[in-house]
Amino acid sequence: QVQLQESGPGLVKPSETLSLTCTVSGGSISSYHWSWIRQPAGKGLEWIGRIYSSGSTTYNPSLKSRVTMSVDMSKTQFSLKLSSVTAADTAVYYCARDYRGGDYWGQGTLVTVSS
Amino acid sequence: QSALTQPASVSGSPGQSITISCTGTSSDVGGYNYVSWYQQHPGKAPKLMIYEVSNRPSGVSNRFSGSKSGNTASLTISGLQAEDEADYYCSSYTSISTRLFGGGTKLTVL
Repeated sequence: QVQLQESGPGLVKPSETLSLTCTVSGGSISSYHWSWIRQPAGKGLEWIGRIYSSGSTTYNPSLKSRVTMSVDMSKTQFSLKLSSVTAADTAVYYCARDYRGGDYWGQGTLVTVSS
Repeated sequence: QSALTQPASVSGSPGQSITISCTGTSSDVGGYNYVSWYQQHPGKAPKLMIYEVSNRPSGVSNRFSGSKSGNTASLTISGLQAEDEADYYCSSYTSISTRLFGGGTKLTVL
């Protein structure tokens, strides 16, 4: 059974960079796309982007200038960096396997942007 | 990219059927058979219920079904049960290779 677990700071200061890692267990990270999705409190889901196991990426145009994703096959992890954060970036961040639209999801991690 | 359009809320009584719509454009819903539906209970991660318009992952009840006509996809839940009360989201692959979510629909079981 594939499992995903997000990790990273729960509090980030405005203008700094949000960094999260998703650790994949119970399955291979190879030959799949992996995504990041976020959800502000009480609001809907927003797709941030995806990365293939080879490292190729596709980002949401509205966030593209601030997003960087990477993958570490040896650690079966993939990561998200979001720069120049503001309060509007406060949300629960989910990682997911982007197969069939998202067949496995992490439990989510709350990231708050505040000084 | 604007979010796909879903009704904010729907409701139904136990045993009834409900349908949730998801409207996009020819650049997303209408252009590809890559529409997915998710169920999200409060405080939980979304769960994939339908993929590629009408396919159910293993373990998902056959009370859930999906369809598409033109730029609008639909999720139908038959034999409504109390445990179906949740938020439901659709998503679609897009012409620029991104994924677009709907705004979400809150299902209330009366």
